[in-house]
Amino acid sequence: AQTVTQSQPEMSVQEAETVTLSCTYDTSESNYYLFWYKQPPSRQMILVIRQEAYKQQNATENRFSVNFQKAAKSFSLKISDSQLGDTAMYFCAFMKRLDDKIIFGKGTRLHILP
Amino acid sequence: DGGITQSPKYLFRKEGQNVTLSCEQNLNHDAMYWYRQDPGQGLRLIYYSQIVNDFQKGDIAEGYSVSREKKESFPLTVTSAQKNPTAFYLCASSMTGGFIAEAFFGQGTRLTVV
Repeated sequence: AQTVTQSQPEMSVQEAETVTLSCTYDTSESNYYLFWYKQPPSRQMILVIRQEAYKQQNATENRFSVNFQKAAKSFSLKISDSQLGDTAMYFCAFMKRLDDKIIFGKGTRLHILP
Repeated sequence: DGGITQSPKYLFRKEGQNVTLSCEQNLNHDAMYWYRQDPGQGLRLIYYSQIVNDFQKGDIAEGYSVSREKKESFPLTVTSAQKNPTAFYLCASSMTGGFIAEAFFGQGTRLTVV
């Protein structure tokens, strides 16, 4: 069974700083997808970024980028120039291709301090 | 507007009662999911369905039941067999067929046992 581990339960950074959230996963599959989701205080889940395992190039979305290390089974999220609106829970998620089952980690609570 | 609608937003249940949480989507997605969120536990998968009239158990299916009679609807029943049902419940949907497809989430239902 696949598992997703987020080792940082909570983090705080100053506004405008860069922060990296860690995620590791365990799978024997070679073809899968990885996601980072954001859950702000409203509790509405929002997709931040996604990565296909067969792509070596790391995904980027504006201030958000990932460091995908397939051999190490690591998928970290970097937030550059952090903003107060980035304050939220962040969840790492895994989906095996053609399976549709999405597994989430326990989340990292991120506080952006003014 | 396309999206996922969960109702009610807040639900109170007496001990020993069954309750049903509603989830409707108009995104034409084949796959639908139910997750339970508890503090420090992340999102845990209860059930998911890839097609009408079919569904699979997730990691914590005991005490829950679902049906998928229509593509748009995936109701979750919390039965009296669920010993600790107080939690935040999230419904989601996504495309299937091996496409890298994000999961779209509803706004959640907060269930409290009184």
